[in-house]
Amino acid sequence: GDSVTQMEGPVTLSEEACLTINCTYTATGYPSLFWYVQYPGEGLQLLLKATKADDKGSNKGFEATYRKETTSFHLEKGSVQVSDSAVYFCAQGDNTGGFKTIFGAGTRLFVKA
Amino acid sequence: NAGVTQTPKFQVLKTGQSMTLQCAQDMNHEYMSWYRQDPGMGLRLIHYSVGAGITDQGEVPNGYNVSRSTTEDFPLRLLSAAPSQTSVYFCASSSAGQKNSPLHFGNGTRLTVT
Repeated sequence: GDSVTQMEGPVTLSEEACLTINCTYTATGYPSLFWYVQYPGEGLQLLLKATKADDKGSNKGFEATYRKETTSFHLEKGSVQVSDSAVYFCAQGDNTGGFKTIFGAGTRLFVKA
Repeated sequence: NAGVTQTPKFQVLKTGQSMTLQCAQDMNHEYMSWYRQDPGMGLRLIHYSVGAGITDQGEVPNGYNVSRSTTEDFPLRLLSAAPSQTSVYFCASSSAGQKNSPLHFGNGTRLTVT
């Protein structure tokens, strides 16, 4: 069945380091792909999305490109800040006309000053 | 702009007790859903609704009931709480009118069953 796999954490980086969080998906068809972020004590919020192959989603310095050939949607940021410390979830939308979203297990990021 | 509101924020139950987790949204979203979040397992879908009067089961529905009498409200009922239901519960909504519409989440309810 459809699923999302993302790299296990936690990931610990120093401020201004480069970030990559890997995400791959399995799906029938071409679902929309999302990255959500969860700050401590809060619910998830949309970080970025891409709806078709080769689309690049971007927001707050984060980017991810929808790669159909590798079924991947890796999250990247060139220079992380302490305020980026959070849990990041990769997710795929329902491409059968429904509304179910499938989430990866989440990757916790710690950024040290 | 409240968005999705969940109550309570925290709850402790004894095994066998019942309770209702409340969820309300003020965005006129047709689609609403409940997820549970457990360490290392991401979010798993419990139940969802595509409109008032319509509900369906997700991946892990056992032990939970839902109803959707209005567009705004989507309560989740635990019939007889078990320790395996200790988790963080999130309600989410999205617009059915927009393809690929993202989910809007509440801030969660942390439930402990002893």
